[in-house]
Amino acid sequence: AQSVTQLGSHVSVSEGALVLLRCNYSSSVPPYLFWYVQYPNQGLQLLLKYTSAATLVKGINGFEAEFKKSETSFHLTKPSAHMSDAAEYFCAVSGTGRRALTFGSGTRLQVQP
Amino acid sequence: KAGVTQTPRYLIKTRGQQVTLSCSPISGHRSVSWYQQTPGQGLQFLFEYFSETQRNKGNFPGRFSGRQFSNSRSEMNVSTLELGDSALYLCASRHEEGPGPYEQYFGPGTRLTVT
Repeated sequence: AQSVTQLGSHVSVSEGALVLLRCNYSSSVPPYLFWYVQYPNQGLQLLLKYTSAATLVKGINGFEAEFKKSETSFHLTKPSAHMSDAAEYFCAVSGTGRRALTFGSGTRLQVQP
Repeated sequence: KAGVTQTPRYLIKTRGQQVTLSCSPISGHRSVSWYQQTPGQGLQFLFEYFSETQRNKGNFPGRFSGRQFSNSRSEMNVSTLELGDSALYLCASRHEEGPGPYEQYFGPGTRLTVT
């Protein structure tokens, strides 16, 4: 079975500061990992996905994530936060390409001016 | 291409009623999944349909059911609504060609309120 744990249900940063959202996974097979973002009253939008081709994955809107097998982590980062980054972020895992996604509990990112 | 569309966007029902939600996937996508999102339980997988067959199922009671049509459009039905069924119901579609992983594209959701 696969699962993900997101540490910190709320994260607050200042505009221009580093964003770090944490995700640890548990999987019995090499996992497929994803980060999604959800803006208020909207569905989920894919930020990036881990495909095993590279441990550092670059996504949209300046976000990137690094897969660390030794730490079972897939943390999401962005060097400089923008007000428009305020949203809820979900880490998700799938055991195979065709299985359902198992989501973490989400982290709400607040960006202070 | 048009994205995943869901209708209706908002719905208010009374306890004990039933409801049907609709999802139109991205053109060419044969896999459609449904998820329930609530503040308490987060995002939970309901079921997935592929080529009109249920391929995966989450841990929900039999009151929750779904189907997929030959054009890949999908519906989910909830019978005998309970207050706890109030949630955002998200539909997602994906295209499965080539090596995975296959990302899911989500619709805007249907906000169901049960009173």
